[in-house]
Amino acid sequence: DGGITQSPKYLFRKEGQNVTLSCEQNLNHDAMYWYRQDPGQGLRLIYYSQIVNDFQKGDIAEGYSVSREKKESFPLTVTSAQKNPTAFYLCASSYSSGLAGVWEQFFGPGTRLTVL
Amino acid sequence: SQQGEEDPQALSIQEGENATMNCSYKTSINNLQWYRQNSGRGLVHLILIRSNEREKHSGRLRVTLDTSKKSSSLLITASRAADTASYFCATDPYTQGGSEKLVFGKGTKLTVNP
Repeated sequence: DGGITQSPKYLFRKEGQNVTLSCEQNLNHDAMYWYRQDPGQGLRLIYYSQIVNDFQKGDIAEGYSVSREKKESFPLTVTSAQKNPTAFYLCASSYSSGLAGVWEQFFGPGTRLTVL
Repeated sequence: SQQGEEDPQALSIQEGENATMNCSYKTSINNLQWYRQNSGRGLVHLILIRSNEREKHSGRLRVTLDTSKKSSSLLITASRAADTASYFCATDPYTQGGSEKLVFGKGTKLTVNP
């Protein structure tokens, strides 16, 4: 059963703590993405990776970190430096883009992070 | 950086009616994509239209693209209550050397009343 999974579905964090959100895909996609969504808003890109062991900052990377040690996995760490981390976090994957443009993205179910 | 802007922000219609959502963007694109999001869920890809295409159909969905006006529209015909969701356009901005990311708009929230 191919797809993209995120865990946990809900996450609560105390101020000052780092937390790591999991994202796994078995679609054999090279590219993976992390987005943040605030209520009533669109998606904002945090980090993305086109290939293993390489990743780039998106529009709102401050206070976040990622790693891409395996093709299937792209975990996101929300650090204590992120001033307003309460949001819905979405992970996506796709075939690697090229001159033809970005392919369709497949999304996980999301993780809702709440800072207490 | 918000590239696509959907219009209207919210739309409420009766079952059986057609729903039209619009998206405007600012820069040249490789393609434009439409996604659907049910409340509290991940996004689902609906349709991709390339910059050299003008219209595309998929089931009850019809997407048009006007690159001269930098705009696209999504038409859902014979709407159903199950179509209730938020709909987002995402643009793939053209860059020399190839693009790597999509830019999403803020979405149109569609409510279909039974």
